[in-house]
Amino acid sequence: AQSVTQLDSQVPVFEEAPVELRCNYSSSVSVYLFWYVQYPNQGLQLLLKYLSGSTLVKGINGFEAEFNKSQTSFHLRKPSVHISDTAEYFCAVSEEGQGAQKLVFGQGTRLTINP
Amino acid sequence: KAGVTQTPRYLIKTRGQQVTLSCSPISGHRSVSWYQQTPGQGLQFLFEYFSETQRNKGNFPGRFSGRQFSNSRSEMNVSTLELGDSALYLCASSLEFSGELFFGEGSRLTVL
Repeated sequence: AQSVTQLDSQVPVFEEAPVELRCNYSSSVSVYLFWYVQYPNQGLQLLLKYLSGSTLVKGINGFEAEFNKSQTSFHLRKPSVHISDTAEYFCAVSEEGQGAQKLVFGQGTRLTINP
Repeated sequence: KAGVTQTPRYLIKTRGQQVTLSCSPISGHRSVSWYQQTPGQGLQFLFEYFSETQRNKGNFPGRFSGRQFSNSRSEMNVSTLELGDSALYLCASSLEFSGELFFGEGSRLTVL
């Protein structure tokens, strides 16, 4: 079974500052990794995914994440945030070979951007 | 292209009742997954359907069930509602092997 730990439940950041949202996972098998974003009163939207290949993954809205197998981490980064990035961010894993439908999510990190 | 559509968006039920939620996937998507989102438990996988067959199931009691129709539309049903079933129920559709779920806005169920 897989599990995901998002180390920060809330992250306040000033506008135009860099941000890192941390995610660690646990699994006895190879996994796929994802970051989803949820804006208020909306469903989730995929930011980026790691399925295979380069460990540095670039996503939408200027976000990127790096898969570190030895540290079982998949931290999300953005060099300069905007007010519009205020949302809840979820890290998720799925078992490789099982597709991306059965996801195990972390508890989420609420990103608040202050002007 | 229309997104994932969930109905109803909001509903209130009382304990012991049952509820049916509907999900229309993006055209061409044959996989539909359901998730429950609560403040305490977060996002939890309920089940996934592909071509009218349940392909994966999460750790929920048998009161939670679902089905998928030949046009890929899906429904989930919760019987004998409990207070703890109050949640946002999210449906997501995907193309096979795409690695991406497209979520609807959810159906918010309140059980009184």
